[in-house]
Amino acid sequence: DSGVTQTPKHLITATGQRVTLRCSPRSGDLSVYWYQQSLDQGLQFLIQYYNGEERAKGNILERFSAQQFPDLHSELNLSSLELGDSALYFCASSVVRTGELFFGEGSRLTVL
Amino acid sequence: TQLLEQSPQFLSIQEGENLTVYCNSSSVFSSLQWYRQEPGEGPVLLVTVVTGGEVKKLKRLTFQFGDARKDSSLHITAAQPGDTGLYLCAGWRAGNMLTFGGGTRLMVKP
Repeated sequence: DSGVTQTPKHLITATGQRVTLRCSPRSGDLSVYWYQQSLDQGLQFLIQYYNGEERAKGNILERFSAQQFPDLHSELNLSSLELGDSALYFCASSVVRTGELFFGEGSRLTVL
Repeated sequence: TQLLEQSPQFLSIQEGENLTVYCNSSSVFSSLQWYRQEPGEGPVLLVTVVTGGEVKKLKRLTFQFGDARKDSSLHITAAQPGDTGLYLCAGWRAGNMLTFGGGTRLMVKP
């Protein structure tokens, strides 16, 4: 158990819909990272927050947005969903910004 | 195109064999990490290498960071079925971005 909690574990929805994925980092970790893992592209970095502020942005689509709340939990919002958005979405947290990342078990999104 | 290229992508070997996984890039990284991921779980850190030329050993696993800090390798001696999984290299660059390679899927048959 990494200490990072992600909900929901599985989500099935239709194209055009909007979903929210939630992440609770390890106690004391200020940084939260979001990654997308699909079969053909490995782990793709989406976005990072540190203590509520956006710190780094990767290949995140404009249809996707994220935020980190004062209690340090984070949410990833995916809208106007397409079939190609089906993937595993991982959240990770860390204490030191360039140190070890602790990953949650992921949220598996299936868009039909 | 991946910033970090891993090879091979797939590897199926018999128990007891040795293997090496490579992680290559044209970019310099401040540090490189190796993670292992099992089905249904998130990646778990195995090691971090920071200094060019650094070699770290973790039981039967040997990790090396290239002198120019652009590449790394993972060598497993006498592989066991418990080593089966997805091995991912990841590099830290400026901007707080940890970039992952495409992964090497290892299967060790008893």
